[in-house]
Amino acid sequence: DTGVSQNPRHKITKRGQNVTFRCDPISEHNRLYWYRQTLGQGPEFLTYFQNEAQLEKSRLLSDRFSAERPKGSFSTLEIQRTEQGDSAMYLCASSTAGGAGEKLFFGSGTQLSVL
Amino acid sequence: QKEVEQNSGPLSVPEGAIASLNCTYSDRGSQSFFWYRQYSGKSPELIMFIYSNGDKEDGRFTAQLNKASQYVSLLIRDSQPSDSATYLCAGSSGNTGKLIFGQGTTLQVKP
Repeated sequence: DTGVSQNPRHKITKRGQNVTFRCDPISEHNRLYWYRQTLGQGPEFLTYFQNEAQLEKSRLLSDRFSAERPKGSFSTLEIQRTEQGDSAMYLCASSTAGGAGEKLFFGSGTQLSVL
Repeated sequence: QKEVEQNSGPLSVPEGAIASLNCTYSDRGSQSFFWYRQYSGKSPELIMFIYSNGDKEDGRFTAQLNKASQYVSLLIRDSQPSDSATYLCAGSSGNTGKLIFGQGTTLQVKP
């Protein structure tokens, strides 16, 4: 399978705990995106990388969230001191940069439940 | 606040009919628009994108863009039950995959 891979698929945690998600993009893709989606809503942009550089981060993203893409391949998204409002599906997508109509390939997501 | 607005539906059409899905956007700087299909419990999948005024056709799908009216639509001809899903409209103001999504319209195609 050469698609975008996300792990874990599901994560249940208690409020205040830290969680980390991993995303493995399509190998030849140099851009990697994180989105968050809650029930009945469209995905919301969180941050993106081009190679290992984090080029943009949503103003809505609190400082409890941090993302890395250390070698320009896989990425991790960490949430510290989780809150119930963090419960959502976290989606990773990858693409090849350049031009209009950049096509995002989404992974299956990590469903986070904060109790 | 840059927004993309969609009617959440559900939009119900009989099999074989044309389904018309609509979307408006507030950011005049938006250049490209995308339609993603999302089946329940699955991730979004790109089905169409458009960046020029007018129509763009791909198989049973036609995307329409009117920048003056800030309006995007998706027509699905000969609707099939397998088209039943949530359709997400998204806009981009630059050459990146940073998209502003609408809340999605749920389409139900009844046999």
